[in-house]
Amino acid sequence: AQSVTQLGSHVSVSEGALVLLRCNYSSSVPPYLFWYVQYPNQGLQLLLKYTTGATLVKGINGFEAEFKKSETSFHLTKPSAHMSDAAEYFCAVSPSGGSNYKLTFGKGTLLTVNP
Amino acid sequence: DADVTQTPRNRITKTGKRIMLECSQTKGHDRMYWYRQDPGLGLRLIYYSFDVKDINKGEISDGYSVSRQAQAKFSLSLESAIPNQTALYFCATSDSGTGSYNEQFFGPGTRLTVL
Repeated sequence: AQSVTQLGSHVSVSEGALVLLRCNYSSSVPPYLFWYVQYPNQGLQLLLKYTTGATLVKGINGFEAEFKKSETSFHLTKPSAHMSDAAEYFCAVSPSGGSNYKLTFGKGTLLTVNP
Repeated sequence: DADVTQTPRNRITKTGKRIMLECSQTKGHDRMYWYRQDPGLGLRLIYYSFDVKDINKGEISDGYSVSRQAQAKFSLSLESAIPNQTALYFCATSDSGTGSYNEQFFGPGTRLTVL
């Protein structure tokens, strides 16, 4: 069974500050890992994903995440927050083998960016 | 043009009414999904379909049914709507082919209110 824990349902940062959104997972097999972003009144959009290879992955809008197997983590970062980054962010995990259809989501982290 | 479309975008209905939410995709994907989003709970899987003849229950299928009319169309029905089905509903698609890593693509959502 898989599960995803996002630490902090709400994170508030100042414009220009570092953004750090935390995600830890549990999975019985090596997973694929995803971060999705949901802007107000919109669907989910893929920010980035880890499948294999380099553990530091870069995504859209200046975001990146690092897969740390020993810590079972996949935290999302951005060096300098912009007002347009205000949204809800979801971490998700999918098993890498077998019936790998299932995407399990965390409960989401709402990011607020203050001027 | 949007790759995954949902109709209607907003719907208000009354307890006991039958409601159908529709999803269409032009991505050519074989797999389609229906999720429900509630504040603080993330996304939960209602039903998923691997192809027209393969439909499966997700984690919260009670009170819902689905129909896969064609590879590109997947409908969700609430046979007798109740207030706790008030939520944001998302359709998603993915490709089962090698290299897809189960990345899912989401529609814009349908906001359903049951009075």
